[in-house]
Amino acid sequence: ETGVTQTPRHLVMGMTNKKSLKCEQHLGHNAMYWYKQSAKKPLELMFVYNFKEQTENNSVPSRFSPECPNSSHLFLHLHTLQPEDSALYLCASSQGKNRALAGGRNEQFFGPGTRLTVL
Amino acid sequence: GQNIDQPTEMTATEGAIVQINCTYQTSGFNGLFWYQQHAGEAPTFLSYNVLDGLEEKGRFSSFLSRSKGYSYLLLKELQMKDSASYLCAGSWFSGGYNKLIFGAGTRLAVHP
Repeated sequence: ETGVTQTPRHLVMGMTNKKSLKCEQHLGHNAMYWYKQSAKKPLELMFVYNFKEQTENNSVPSRFSPECPNSSHLFLHLHTLQPEDSALYLCASSQGKNRALAGGRNEQFFGPGTRLTVL
Repeated sequence: GQNIDQPTEMTATEGAIVQINCTYQTSGFNGLFWYQQHAGEAPTFLSYNVLDGLEEKGRFSSFLSRSKGYSYLLLKELQMKDSASYLCAGSWFSGGYNKLIFGAGTRLAVHP
């Protein structure tokens, strides 16, 4: 257990469906991240929230829509996805900006991921 | 952008030693992380190097050379449970936080 939970663990959806992925961290962190992990490819950073403010959108298509209502929760809303969006979606958290500025290690803690299949 | 390079796959024998190398571009670099990821599970933190040299933690050690843009993860006394992917990630300070750029991972298979 890393202190970061994700639901659902598995999701199968059609291209016309709308679904949401949920992430929750119990570590008191202030930064949260969404990553996409495809087979044999590096982890791709999608979005970053620092103190609930979105600080990075890594050229992600608009069919992916993040939401961060508070420092402990992060959502990824999905609509009209494509089959190539099938992947493992990982959430992570870290201590955030203040820790980074202090030169701290600021490692990221990952959730178990949601295995998404788009038919 | 920054590139992280590491071998795709490695195999080793139980009880042996294996070294997984990682290279990166040095401009603006902060530090380097190693994560372990078993199939179907979350990546878990193994080590962090910010200064040159070797950091030892039990059977695992990690080395960094900042000037050469080079790191390695050394696994000793290999066990079957060490079969996993090992992710090298460089840290660059960007937009108010430490941004991690990951390599594609090295899949290590440990055989009896």
